[in-house]
Amino acid sequence: QKEVEQNSGPLSVPEGAIASLNCTYSDRGSQSFFWYRQYSGKSPELIMFIYSNGDKEDGRFTAQLNKASQYVSLLIRDSQPSDSATYLCAVRRRGSTLGRLYFGRGTQLTVWP
Amino acid sequence: EAEVAQSPRYKITEKSQAVAFWCDPISGHATLYWYRQILGQGPELLVQFQDESVVDDSQLPKDRFSAERLKGVDSTLKIQPAELGDSAMYLCASSIGTGSSYEQYFGPGTRLTVT
Repeated sequence: QKEVEQNSGPLSVPEGAIASLNCTYSDRGSQSFFWYRQYSGKSPELIMFIYSNGDKEDGRFTAQLNKASQYVSLLIRDSQPSDSATYLCAVRRRGSTLGRLYFGRGTQLTVWP
Repeated sequence: EAEVAQSPRYKITEKSQAVAFWCDPISGHATLYWYRQILGQGPELLVQFQDESVVDDSQLPKDRFSAERLKGVDSTLKIQPAELGDSAMYLCASSIGTGSSYEQYFGPGTRLTVT
């Protein structure tokens, strides 16, 4: 079982819709969770992080964490064509004093006008 | 805004040749990571430095890969000899430290093609 699982997609939504991206992780003791956006041919860009159960909102982005279900999600409201990218979920495990991140393979999102 | 610098951005090399990548982290960032990202997959850690010391190289293919960060600032990753399977994006990232709340910031990456 991989550390971090994501549906590779592609996920396709119309402009203005809500895009929902999901991620599950295997280590129940994982501490912190990150969402990166990666445009084709570019490097990952950090967009959100969350440490506590519940929701965290930043502009059009909301990260949701449910540690009991080992599940983290990213909602993008009012999706724009410029949001079209691959979204990577990354997890830092408990006791990971070295700070290592484990990445999923990413979900490709397409927002069509 | 401070950024992680990497060079070259693109590298094409023949199988069995040597290649080297350079990374300069954000100023003040003690922790430096080298990741490899194969097309269609997420980044995977190759090696991690804390200042000038290697703290995790468990996934580094040490028969052909080497990494150094001599003065605890910039870093070099080397592959010798390169193999076809090494074709990938090589990403450098840095963070202030290794605590759970510290974010990692990525450089633009080096796209390696081995022919």
